[in-house]
Amino acid sequence: DAGVIQSPRHEVTEMGQEVTLRCKPISGHNSLFWYRQTMMRGLELLIYFNNNVPIDDSGMPEDRFSAKMPNASFSTLKIQPSEPRDSAVYFCASVRESSGNTIYFGEGSWLTVV
Amino acid sequence: AQSVTQLGSHVSVSEGALVLLRCNYSSSVPPYLFWYVQYPNQGLQLLLKYTTGATLVKGINGFEAEFKKSETSFHLTKPSAHMSDAAEYFCAVSSSGNTGKLIFGQGTTLQVKP
Repeated sequence: DAGVIQSPRHEVTEMGQEVTLRCKPISGHNSLFWYRQTMMRGLELLIYFNNNVPIDDSGMPEDRFSAKMPNASFSTLKIQPSEPRDSAVYFCASVRESSGNTIYFGEGSWLTVV
Repeated sequence: AQSVTQLGSHVSVSEGALVLLRCNYSSSVPPYLFWYVQYPNQGLQLLLKYTTGATLVKGINGFEAEFKKSETSFHLTKPSAHMSDAAEYFCAVSSSGNTGKLIFGQGTTLQVKP
């Protein structure tokens, strides 16, 4: 079975540009999560969806960040405009919500904003 | 509310020595506990998890962890370190109601010396 698929794996962009990160969750999983990893803050949850509906976006750092999940097999995380402090690894993860089920992470999108 | 504290941001052991990575948690509900490993420039791989039942949990690559409710701990151990164990290790907590909403510790970098 394919795991969680993220694209792009690596992106370098200039400050002020729009960045779109994409995620395809595992088929049959009904919850999707976006995490961010930085040296300063470690791994933190940005937003999660259940059945395509955003449930908790309290981790989204500011209005420059937005996330969508138009259907069960696709989600995007957009940063507009991007800033150097957004440089991080962004992980997408999915799970079929049920007691004891394991969440699976994608390989991450390495973002550098210069 | 939930939180995780990993004691020691860097741990160094000799090859063949015992590995002990410490994790303490705080949770107002029965916790689900996880250990993840991250190799350089890679994603997160689940080592092991505790949800319910047996408090001693065995994972991949010879690792195990014991859930001790009285000590609010979930320390990770391996009897004999291998060079390939050098990586960053993350302890995380969630709850049965939302298994994918993980709160991570700051991580411990394990160095294995020959």
